[in-house]
Amino acid sequence: DSGVTQTPKHLITATGQRVTLRCSPRSGDLSVYWYQQSLDQGLQFLIQYYNGEERAKGNILERFSAQQFPDLHSELNLSSLELGDSALYFCASSVAGAGGVDEQYFGPGTRLTVT
Amino acid sequence: GENVEQHPSTLSVQEGDSAVIKCTYSDSASNYFPWYKQELGKGPQLIIDIRSNVGEKKDQRIAVTLNKTAKHFSLHITETQPEDSAVYFCAASNPPYGQNFVFGPGTRLSVLP
Repeated sequence: DSGVTQTPKHLITATGQRVTLRCSPRSGDLSVYWYQQSLDQGLQFLIQYYNGEERAKGNILERFSAQQFPDLHSELNLSSLELGDSALYFCASSVAGAGGVDEQYFGPGTRLTVT
Repeated sequence: GENVEQHPSTLSVQEGDSAVIKCTYSDSASNYFPWYKQELGKGPQLIIDIRSNVGEKKDQRIAVTLNKTAKHFSLHITETQPEDSAVYFCAASNPPYGQNFVFGPGTRLSVLP
């Protein structure tokens, strides 16, 4: 158990809908990262938050957004969902944000299925 | 930006044999190289990492080597066991570590009893 929690574990929704994925980092970690893993694909970095502020952006679609709250949990919002958004979404956390080498610890993921 | 290649994509070994997975990276500024193990239905688990000031690191049956000149690093698993069967991902990272944390495509390792 990495100490990172994600809810829900599974999510099934229809095209055009909006969903919110939730992540709680390990105790003491200030950074949260979001990744997308499609079938037979590697891990694609989406976005990073550090202590409430956006720190880095990867291949995140404009239909997707995220935020990190004062208690450091983070939410990833996916809107106008398309079939191609079906994937595993992972959250990872680390102690620092930038400027130092930092291990990332992953949560169990949320499996999103868009029908 | 950074690009990480990983080989082989699939690997089958007999229980007790060794397994080696190799990764190459493109950005010479990368200085942190973790390896993750992902079992079916689970999130990636950090199993070992190496920093650019070290050439080799070992943890029980797992070792990682780094060749900065050639820009490649490898994961070595000795005395493989069926529970080692999983997908293994390498990654390379350099400051600022968010968007520059790039994963390889993964290697599916099967350990046959």
